Amino acid sequence: DTAVSQTPKYLVTQMGNDKSIKCEQNLGHDTMYWYKQDSKKFLKIMFSYNNKELIINETVPNRFSPKSPDKAHLNLHINSLELGDSAVYFCASSQQELMNTEAFFGQGTRLTVV
Amino acid sequence: AQRVTQPEKLLSVFKGAPVELKCNYSYSGSPELFWYVQYSRQRLQLLLRHISRESIKGFTADLNKGETSFHLKKPFAQEEDSAMYYCALSAPNTDKLIFGTGTRLQVFP
Repeated sequence: DTAVSQTPKYLVTQMGNDKSIKCEQNLGHDTMYWYKQDSKKFLKIMFSYNNKELIINETVPNRFSPKSPDKAHLNLHINSLELGDSAVYFCASSQQELMNTEAFFGQGTRLTVV
Repeated sequence: AQRVTQPEKLLSVFKGAPVELKCNYSYSGSPELFWYVQYSRQRLQLLLRHISRESIKGFTADLNKGETSFHLKKPFAQEEDSAMYYCALSAPNTDKLIFGTGTRLQVFP
C-alpha cells in the first residue's frame, strides 16, 4: 500500500488554466505538507496542515490554495497557472510537527505549464 | 522498485562523538543521492549531494554502489547538528526525488 499518494504524477497544462493536485495519506497522520522543488532540487515548504487546520503558510502567490477536506487529504489547487509554476510538487505527512517525527513523502507531481 | 531506507528513526549521541546516519537505496541504475536536513521549525535544506563530493558543516557521505548505501558521517558531532535528516534519491535526468522516512539526530552536551 502506498502511504502517501499524489495524483496525477505528471500534469501538462496551458498558461491561465486552473488545476488541482491531490494528495492522500493512509497512515493516520495528523499533519500534511506541500513542498515545491526548485531547479536545484531544493525543497521549499508551501503549506502545512494539522488536523485540517492551516498551520504554515509560506509566501506563495494567492493563486495557490490548499484544501483539506479531512485529515487524510490535502489537495493543492492552483489558479491562473503561469510558466514559473512549472516544478515538481511534493506532498508529505507526519504524525506530529515535522521536527519530532519521521515524515513520509509522496512520489511528486511534475507540473509543466506551457 | 526505487526505494530509500533509513533504518534508524532516532540516533542519540554525545557531543564530540562520531555520527553515522544510515541510508540504503534500491535502484537498478546509477542514481543521484542527496541528504537533506531540517532544523527545528526551519525549512528543509539540501545538505549535500554525492556528485559534488563536498563536505558541508563537517558532514560527508560516500556513495557505495556495491552496498547501495549513502551513509552520512561526521567525526565529531555538535549540539547544533540536532535535526531531522532525510536521505533522497533521484534517477538521472529526472526531477523527482524519493525520500527516506528520516532520522532524528539528537546530540547531547
